[in-house]
Amino acid sequence: EVQLLESGGGLVQPGGSLRLSCAGSGYTFSSYAMSWVRQAPGKGLEWVSGISVSGEKTYYAESVKGRFTISRDNSKNTLFLQMSSLRVEDTAIYYCAKDLIGHSSSWYYLDYWGQGMLVTVSS
Amino acid sequence: EIVLTQSPATLSLSPGERATLSCRASQSVSIYLAWYQQKPGQAPRLLIYDASNRANDIPARFSGSGSGTDFTLTISSLQPEDFAFYYCQLRTNWPPYTFGQGTKLEIK
Repeated sequence: EVQLLESGGGLVQPGGSLRLSCAGSGYTFSSYAMSWVRQAPGKGLEWVSGISVSGEKTYYAESVKGRFTISRDNSKNTLFLQMSSLRVEDTAIYYCAKDLIGHSSSWYYLDYWGQGMLVTVSS
Repeated sequence: EIVLTQSPATLSLSPGERATLSCRASQSVSIYLAWYQQKPGQAPRLLIYDASNRANDIPARFSGSGSGTDFTLTISSLQPEDFAFYYCQLRTNWPPYTFGQGTKLEIK
């Protein structure tokens, strides 16, 4: 059974930092691109960042570019999101998710999601 | 950048009825569209990909259709557990995943 288990969320002050982790199991983690998607309270879904199978290529939404860093450790089946210079508008539930198609350099669809981790940016 | 517009924003129906949800793209996207279901407090679940392919373990009452700019998610006979939010998602090179604003399917 595919599982994605997130950790690391919480309350942080504006300008602060936080690191999210996502542990994958039940599939070959190193064969699939991964992403972070967030959902602000009462709002829709927003793709935040993605990373290639090997981790060599990383991608960011304009809203977080220069402030967030995505990475992965395939030896530990874990995805990370380092968030810095956090703003009130970054408050959201953050989901990690895996792409549907493995061994690919293209983006497809997100077939498994973590349970979500709440990040609250407030003074 | 392609924009996805979902309609209606809210759909009120009764169990057993047929639900038809729409997603329109601002330019042609071939068949590269997916649908997700999200219940309160839960992560999204992939229902349909490439416009009409059901994902693993998705009941047959869910079906998708369309191509180009107009897409439809149909739920043939609503079950109580189907009342939720539904999002469409575009598959493109950039940005990787673009979502519509969602449709809330509520019990009438």
